[in-house]
Amino acid sequence: QVQLVQSGAEVKKPGSSVKVSCKISGGDFRNYAITWVRQAPGHGLECMGRIIPVSGTTSYAQSFQGRVSMTADTFTSTAYMELSGLRSDDTAVYYCVTIPGGDYIVGNPLNYWGQGTVVTVSS
Amino acid sequence: SYELTQPPSASVSPGQTAIITCSGEKLTEKYVSWYQQKSGQSPVLVIFEDNKRPSGIPERFSGSNSGNTATLTISGTQALDEADYYCQAWDNSNIFFGGGTKLTVL
Repeated sequence: QVQLVQSGAEVKKPGSSVKVSCKISGGDFRNYAITWVRQAPGHGLECMGRIIPVSGTTSYAQSFQGRVSMTADTFTSTAYMELSGLRSDDTAVYYCVTIPGGDYIVGNPLNYWGQGTVVTVSS
Repeated sequence: SYELTQPPSASVSPGQTAIITCSGEKLTEKYVSWYQQKSGQSPVLVIFEDNKRPSGIPERFSGSNSGNTATLTISGTQALDEADYYCQAWDNSNIFFGGGTKLTVL
């Protein structure tokens, strides 16, 4: 059974950056892309972008372009998401999620979800 | 950007059938997935490729997609099915979610 374990909650000041980690176990890291989805309090799900770990290829949602960076370490099966220029409206739960298919993921479902990392942005 | 529209809320009596819709432009041409999110928990995939159930998802969950509207149907709804439900589709190689439907079992 694939498990995704994320790093703990963070409290950040406006303008700073946050880096969230996501370690995958129980599956072959090379068979997945990793997408990051966030959920602001009381709101729905929003996809931030994705990375294909074996190639390092990234694709970011337009609303996060220039502020987000996604990386992956295939040796430790860990993915990272860094968001900079934090604002109060970045306060949210951030999820890492696997998409099966390796390189060929378009159209595939988001099948395994991490437990979520709460990021609070406050002065 | 691509919009998926869901009703914000739905209610059903225990044992009855719950139907949640999701509409979008040319949605019939895309695969739709559905996710269940219970309060304080991470979402869980319940339907993928319009009508397939992942291992471990009860048979009472089913899906369909026609006429640019995808439908999640829960037959014999149980109290433990009370949750938020989100549809999801890909458009132009990007992932989009519906706004979510809060299902109340009363």
